[in-house]
Amino acid sequence: SQQGEEDPQALSIQEGENATMNCSYKTSINNLQWYRQNSGRGLVHLILIRSNEREKHSGRLRVTLDTSKKSSSLLITASRAADTASYFCATDRAGGTSYGKLTFGQGTILTVHP
Amino acid sequence: GAVVSQHPSWVICKSGTSVKIECRSLDFQATTMFWYRQFPKQSLMLMATSNEGSKATYEQGVEKDKFLINHASLTLSTLTVTSAHPEDSSFYICSASWDYINEQFFGPGTRLTVL
Repeated sequence: SQQGEEDPQALSIQEGENATMNCSYKTSINNLQWYRQNSGRGLVHLILIRSNEREKHSGRLRVTLDTSKKSSSLLITASRAADTASYFCATDRAGGTSYGKLTFGQGTILTVHP
Repeated sequence: GAVVSQHPSWVICKSGTSVKIECRSLDFQATTMFWYRQFPKQSLMLMATSNEGSKATYEQGVEKDKFLINHASLTLSTLTVTSAHPEDSSFYICSASWDYINEQFFGPGTRLTVL
């Protein structure tokens, strides 16, 4: 079953603006990862944040994690048309036999208009 | 970064035939490989986890006799869709990890269309 829920489902912005996507999950996790997928293509790993981390940066990406609220956000600053894609969060659930298995959220479709 | 390839990238087959999809880690040894399927405009659903040299672990609701997984080496896992039917048409994506506590590296996916 899908653990993660993302909002918004779709986001349309102008080039240069910031884009924020949110992800919520239900169970305890080892880490949370964000991926990007261009239409009909495979996934590209963007960033991994561990359960004991609160914030992480990579280039124009900023990810936060609030384990008390079981939520994460992905911020893309100064967006570009090339950022147009679907973005998924994925959680690596803690404990049991789920170790290493990723559960994906429903995704946010980001469209950046030039 | 680590590279994972899939072959074929797309396949069209007739109903009732079997289709094999390969997933290879090109520049690292993958102790664990994962198989996902993705329907149009939907998220990825984990089908099974395969560890080199052992039987795959299937997620609830996934028919292991229909989706045969073999992980014969540290760089190759195969998914065979047996007796394919139109409802098996989907985008199948594999991922590989060398220690399953860090990121998974995803292949480019295989688009299967069953007529």
